[in-house]
Amino acid sequence: QSALTQPASVSGSPGQSITISCTGTSSDVGGYNYVSWYQQHPGEAPKLMIYDITSRPSGVSNRFSGSKSGNTASLTISGLQAEDEADYYCTSFTSSTTWVFGGGTKLTVL
Amino acid sequence: EVQLVESGGGLVQPGGSLRLSCAASGFIFSNYDMHWVRQVPGKGLVWVSRIKTDESGARYADSVKGRFTISRDNAKNTLYLQMNSLRAEDTAVYYCVRDWRFACYDWGQGTLVTVSS
Repeated sequence: QSALTQPASVSGSPGQSITISCTGTSSDVGGYNYVSWYQQHPGEAPKLMIYDITSRPSGVSNRFSGSKSGNTASLTISGLQAEDEADYYCTSFTSSTTWVFGGGTKLTVL
Repeated sequence: EVQLVESGGGLVQPGGSLRLSCAASGFIFSNYDMHWVRQVPGKGLVWVSRIKTDESGARYADSVKGRFTISRDNAKNTLYLQMNSLRAEDTAVYYCVRDWRFACYDWGQGTLVTVSS
């Protein structure tokens, strides 16, 4: 149950787009369409932003989008806003019928 | 409105036990799989356990297997996590989570467990 690999930090200026990667194996990210992404602001509980690789829950801005290629999933945030500054985590269902999270990525809006 | 309210956290000595509870409301609890996820303050999220709607198919992270037991009472709309043989590395905020399509859809605010002598 090794954690999925995410960059420790990414940054971008308001209005720009950024992409956060999430790399696993064929036993998790590459083997299933059950990849999801979470946003967490300091002191708050995480919030689901993307599920099923590309789907957005009701109320989540369409500036957030997801994709997957092979063993790597990605979260793209377009039109960066100050309130997007947060920690972002990916997770995937695994062949062991468990779940595994990524290590998290700190997004800084410059 | 979905509400998940955890309780039962606190300070416990190494080797001790604790039972966390999560009171669910705002949805039909018996229709959803549920998870526990933990987070060491300042660190990342770690999946702990999942239970299916009918209490079958309990799954655990390797780090807690054999020590933690997840359960639920659908009549009381409550999820539990029995934690035994606690270690310092179990210190974390524990979140109760509602599953939707294998994602952690709704989260509680968490309860802090501190394992220390």
